Amino acid sequence: AQSVTQLDSQVPVFEEAPVELRCNYSSSVSVYLFWYVQYPNQGLQLLLKYLSGSTLVKGINGFEAEFNKSQTSFHLRKPSVHISDTAEYFCAVRVVQGAQKLVFGQGTRLTINP
Amino acid sequence: DAGVTQSPTHLIKTRGQQVTLRCSPKSGHDTVSWYQQALGQGPQFIFQYYEEEERQRGNFPDRFSGHQFPNYSSELNVNALLLGDSALYLCASSLRGDGYNSPLHFGNGTRLTVT
Repeated sequence: AQSVTQLDSQVPVFEEAPVELRCNYSSSVSVYLFWYVQYPNQGLQLLLKYLSGSTLVKGINGFEAEFNKSQTSFHLRKPSVHISDTAEYFCAVRVVQGAQKLVFGQGTRLTINP
Repeated sequence: DAGVTQSPTHLIKTRGQQVTLRCSPKSGHDTVSWYQQALGQGPQFIFQYYEEEERQRGNFPDRFSGHQFPNYSSELNVNALLLGDSALYLCASSLRGDGYNSPLHFGNGTRLTVT
């Protein structure tokens, strides 16, 4: 079975500051990794995904994430945040072979203060 | 190009009742998955439908059932509602032919409140 742990339930930062949202996963088989964002009263929107190749993945809205296989981590980063980045962020995994289901972490609420 | 649409957006039911939630996938998609997102939690996989059959199921009781129609739209039915069924129910669609890394497109969800 797979599991995902998001190490911070809430992250407050000031506007234009850098941010890192941490994600660790556990799996006995190879997985794909994803970050989704959820704005209030909306569904989930894909930010970025790691399937294979370069461990540094760039996504939408200036976000990027780095896959670290030895540490089983997939941390999300942004060098300078904006008020509009205030949202809930979810890390998720899916096994490479077989099931299409996503296994999500608990989420990290990112709050941007002016 | 319409994305994933879900109806209704909000619903209030009483314990013991039954509820049906509906989902229309993104145009061109043929696979529908349902997720339950309790307040303050990440989404949890309920089941997935492809070619009108349930292909995979998460750890949910038989009170949760579904259906997929020939036009790829889907319904989620929950019987004998419990207070703990209160959650945001998300529908996600994808195209099976895109393979295992096919991205999921999510709807905005149906907020179910059980009183």
